[in-house]
Amino acid sequence: GAVVSQHPSRVICKSGTSVKIECRSLDFQATTMFWYRQFPKKSLMLMATSNEGSKATYEQGVEKDKFLINHASLTLSTLTVTSAHPEDSSFYICSARASRSYNEQFFGPGTRLTVL
Amino acid sequence: GQQLNQSPQSMFIQEGEDVSMNCTSSSIFNTWLWYKQDPGEGPVLLIALYKAGELTSNGRLTAQFGITRKDSFLNISASIPSDVGIYFCAGIDSGYALNFGKGTSLLVTP
Repeated sequence: GAVVSQHPSRVICKSGTSVKIECRSLDFQATTMFWYRQFPKKSLMLMATSNEGSKATYEQGVEKDKFLINHASLTLSTLTVTSAHPEDSSFYICSARASRSYNEQFFGPGTRLTVL
Repeated sequence: GQQLNQSPQSMFIQEGEDVSMNCTSSSIFNTWLWYKQDPGEGPVLLIALYKAGELTSNGRLTAQFGITRKDSFLNISASIPSDVGIYFCAGIDSGYALNFGKGTSLLVTP
């Protein structure tokens, strides 16, 4: 159990376009989903925390108008990178937590974004 | 969140050797987690620790939640080539977000 999927697994886009990444919890309901960014050979950097039905909480330095997060249901959160630029190229990973009493977080397989 | 201090940064060992890595933080955490990440994949949860002093095993892996709640270690016994990857510690803060260590890169030679 506790499977999290992400789609797409990799995407290449032109500069200026917007890209949507989906994160789904397949066999449990996720009260909270988290979005991370990871640069090569670096640790994961938390971008934002997303609670179902409410606005996402962004970490300092992360532009909320640039990285739009929608957590419309207990099994789906989306991250939209708007007007993407080459510096947005990165590995984006989501994680999901089942409930407040269950602290384990399960990660998706990640999405490799390359902006040309 | 804070970045946890994880060491060593990398390890290069022979198959069959035991491995030990640890994490420390300046803050107290109520939960410590250990993950393994393969290249191009998301982290996979290895062990979760919920109580100070807790010692938990998962096959050849053993992890402990430090008494001070500010540290944790992970041991891998009798390493095998498929243990290769990056291991991350993480502490969960009061906002339920993960605070990660910088990772320990493990290379195992046959």
